[in-house]
Amino acid sequence: DGGITQSPKYLFRKEGQNVTLSCEQNLNHDAMYWYRQDPGQGLRLIYYSQIVNDFQKGDIAEGYSVSREKKESFPLTVTSAQKNPTAFYLCASSITGESNQPQHFGDGTRLSIL
Amino acid sequence: ELKVEQNPLFLSMQEGKNYTIYCNYSTTSDRLYWYRQDPGKSLESLFVLLSNGAVKQEGRLMASLDTKARLSTLHITAAVHDLSATYFCAVDMNYGGSQGNLIFGKGTKLSVKP
Repeated sequence: DGGITQSPKYLFRKEGQNVTLSCEQNLNHDAMYWYRQDPGQGLRLIYYSQIVNDFQKGDIAEGYSVSREKKESFPLTVTSAQKNPTAFYLCASSITGESNQPQHFGDGTRLSIL
Repeated sequence: ELKVEQNPLFLSMQEGKNYTIYCNYSTTSDRLYWYRQDPGKSLESLFVLLSNGAVKQEGRLMASLDTKARLSTLHITAAVHDLSATYFCAVDMNYGGSQGNLIFGKGTKLSVKP
């Protein structure tokens, strides 16, 4: 079955540490997205990529970085510059240009500070 | 800047009752998506609404879109406990073009009680 796999499910970050969240999809989707969700809030876009080797900042990109070296993979690094990283992080993918297809979401990674 | 507002944010219903969740957005868009999220879980796509007057139904849920009023509704008929979840609407920013980024509402937390 095709889908999006996020790992790890839970992640703890120490002060000053960078951590990387993995997102892999086998849906053959061109576009991939990273969202942050805080308790009681909607999703906010961190970064997105419409094609391999290209990505753009979303609304809250500060303190985060991404890469898109392969179509299937879109890892997110939470850097030490992100002072409030505790949140639920969701990765999504979609077919570019097909508006009748929704974004598909992974199961998320919950990041906490030690 | 596109803003998306849902109301109510919290909804406690009795089983068997009907209710409507509202999603208003601030600028022109012709694509709107509804998602469901169970606690601690990912987002599941419910409906894709692509044109003015679009109406989609699945089981006890029915969604509609009025692009002139910039309003979508999610109507719940004869609620059952299994519908308890948080419901998000998301609006596509790229009016008239290919699929763009989504702006999410804050979500409506629905609790259906016996």
